[in-house]
Amino acid sequence: SQKIEQNSEALNIQEGKTATLTCNYTNYSPAYLQWYRQDPGRGPVFLLLIRENEKEKRKERLKVTFDTTLKQSLFHITASQPADSATYLCPYREGGSYIPTFGRGTSLIVHP
Amino acid sequence: GAGVSQSPSNKVTEKGKDVELRCDPISGHTALYWYRQSLGQGLEFLIYFQGNSAPDKSGLPSDRFSAERTGGSVSTLTIQRTQQEDSAVYLCASSLRGGTGELFFGEGSRLTVL
Repeated sequence: SQKIEQNSEALNIQEGKTATLTCNYTNYSPAYLQWYRQDPGRGPVFLLLIRENEKEKRKERLKVTFDTTLKQSLFHITASQPADSATYLCPYREGGSYIPTFGRGTSLIVHP
Repeated sequence: GAGVSQSPSNKVTEKGKDVELRCDPISGHTALYWYRQSLGQGLEFLIYFQGNSAPDKSGLPSDRFSAERTGGSVSTLTIQRTQQEDSAVYLCASSLRGGTGELFFGEGSRLTVL
């Protein structure tokens, strides 16, 4: 079955730097991928969707890439700010399921 | 309202009592999901409703858990004879459709079982 691997350890970076988070798939490369952000005590918020035929998607300071050969998606935040500190999630859907499976995500901490 | 609304936001109950958690999805969204999240853990899928189809209950952890969705809109998650391990944040999400549609989450209902 499909598994998602995200860094379990928190990513600490300095304000102004680019944060890069990784989402690896252990089995097959999905047809599309979504990224969410979750702040403590709140529900996740959708950020971006990228499809398998798209190499890259951008939204303001956010950029997502999708490498179907490596079965990997990278999520970049440029000019990071302390307000970007949160947990970032890349859920997947198993086979033809409509149910997203969320892992623990990766915690990003941006230091001023 | 514009977003997914959940109530209560906080619920403290005694072990063995029944609780009901409510979710009011975004109007027009046909898909509705329930997840729960324990402290420091990822989201655990509970149940999925899509339109008038039979719900996918494959994530419900025991027969003490049940959910219904009336009129294709509001959903209620019921936990009978609560146990301490049921303590968690229960999150509801809705989506315009299943498939690639993004999920819109509510703020969650924090359940504490004493």
